[in-house]
Amino acid sequence: GQQLNQSPQSMFIQEGEDVSMNCTSSSIFNTWLWYKQDPGEGPVLLIALYKAGELTSNGRLTAQFGITRKDSFLNISASIPSDVGIYFCAGRINAGNNRKLIWGLGTSLAVNP
Amino acid sequence: NAGVTQTPKFRILKIGQSMTLQCTQDMNHNYMYWYRQDPGMGLKLIYYSVGAGITDKGEVPNGYNVSRSTTEDFPLRLELAAPSQTSVYFCASSFRAEAFFGQGTRLTVV
Repeated sequence: GQQLNQSPQSMFIQEGEDVSMNCTSSSIFNTWLWYKQDPGEGPVLLIALYKAGELTSNGRLTAQFGITRKDSFLNISASIPSDVGIYFCAGRINAGNNRKLIWGLGTSLAVNP
Repeated sequence: NAGVTQTPKFRILKIGQSMTLQCTQDMNHNYMYWYRQDPGMGLKLIYYSVGAGITDKGEVPNGYNVSRSTTEDFPLRLELAAPSQTSVYFCASSFRAEAFFGQGTRLTVV
């Protein structure tokens, strides 16, 4: 099945550092979503993006919908230990009744206190 | 707010046994999904439903069946469990693109 290219696969950073991760696709998307998954839990929605160029923040998290509509970026500023987890991007290609999402493989984030 | 509720949380099955994973949502979402998540492999769509009475296959439907008799419930059935079905299963629902997930069912087939 189709998947997004999400990078990096994993990151190990010091507390207080900023983090950047991204997803790219060969297809044009009309929605980008960013999720976080804690161990033993289901993914939780962090940010949803609907327009090319859109920049949206959620606390220390900021995500952008790429101008080409083929990529998206997530930044975390001033990381803290509770940021540890796996971050997934997901996108939707068509509008209308299509609600199926295409998923990246995740970025595993470890934060050293 | 219950959101999406999955039961059971954990289950061990013997090869060839069958079971039903339950999923219910209280957000009145039309769209519901079943995913499986294997280590390092992300989420793979098994089946989805666009409303009561309507279901369709996802990427990896073999060995599974679903039904959607009500808006709230979307059970996933494994008929003849195989070791390859050892995984964590997530149910999700959505109104627009944003999917909301349950806490998952960790299934081991031995």
